[in-house]
Amino acid sequence: QVQLVESGGGVVPPGGSLTLSCAASGFTFSTYAMHWVRQAPGEGLEWVATTRYDGSNAYYADSIKGRFTISRDNSKNTLYLHMNSLRGEDTALYYCAKDMGLREFWTGDLDSWGQGTLVTVSA
Amino acid sequence: DIQMTQSPSSLSASVGDRITITCRASQSIRSSLNWYQHKPGIPPKLLIYAASTLQSGVPSRFTGSGSGTDFTLTISSLHPEDFATYYCQQSYNALTFGQGTRLEIK
Repeated sequence: QVQLVESGGGVVPPGGSLTLSCAASGFTFSTYAMHWVRQAPGEGLEWVATTRYDGSNAYYADSIKGRFTISRDNSKNTLYLHMNSLRGEDTALYYCAKDMGLREFWTGDLDSWGQGTLVTVSA
Repeated sequence: DIQMTQSPSSLSASVGDRITITCRASQSIRSSLNWYQHKPGIPPKLLIYAASTLQSGVPSRFTGSGSGTDFTLTISSLHPEDFATYYCQQSYNALTFGQGTRLEIK
């Protein structure tokens, strides 16, 4: 079955950097778009970024554009989120999620999610 | 950017009740609308995609409807395990979630 395991979260000072990872198994990782979604404490879900199945294109929420970069290594079945210039409002539980659509027919329907990794931005 | 607005923000109901949650998009998103169930400590779960298609394994008491800008999620008879927060999400242009509807036991 599909398994997504996030790691890399932790406490980082404002202005700092962090890279999250998401190890995927149970499906052909290289054929699905992948997403990062976050949830700040006491808040709702917020889409962060999407990468196509082959990593050829990436899409970002305005709130993180220019600071975060989504990438993937299909040879390692791993998704990444590189986060720079972190702010207090980036404090959240970060989920990776699998798209339902195959290859270029990605749909934005998130059918499998990891348990999340917590990022805390604090001095 | 497309904004998604859910109502109500919270809802109290009893086991066996029928409830409806609405979601409105700031512009037409055709049928590119998903519903998720989220419980504390558990990742969100996709319930319905493309506005009305039930995800595999989801009970038939969940139904989704709508197109364009107005959508609804209906639970026909609440079970104890249905008390959770529900989110709509558009996938027409990037992705946007609604603010959530917290469904509580009365």
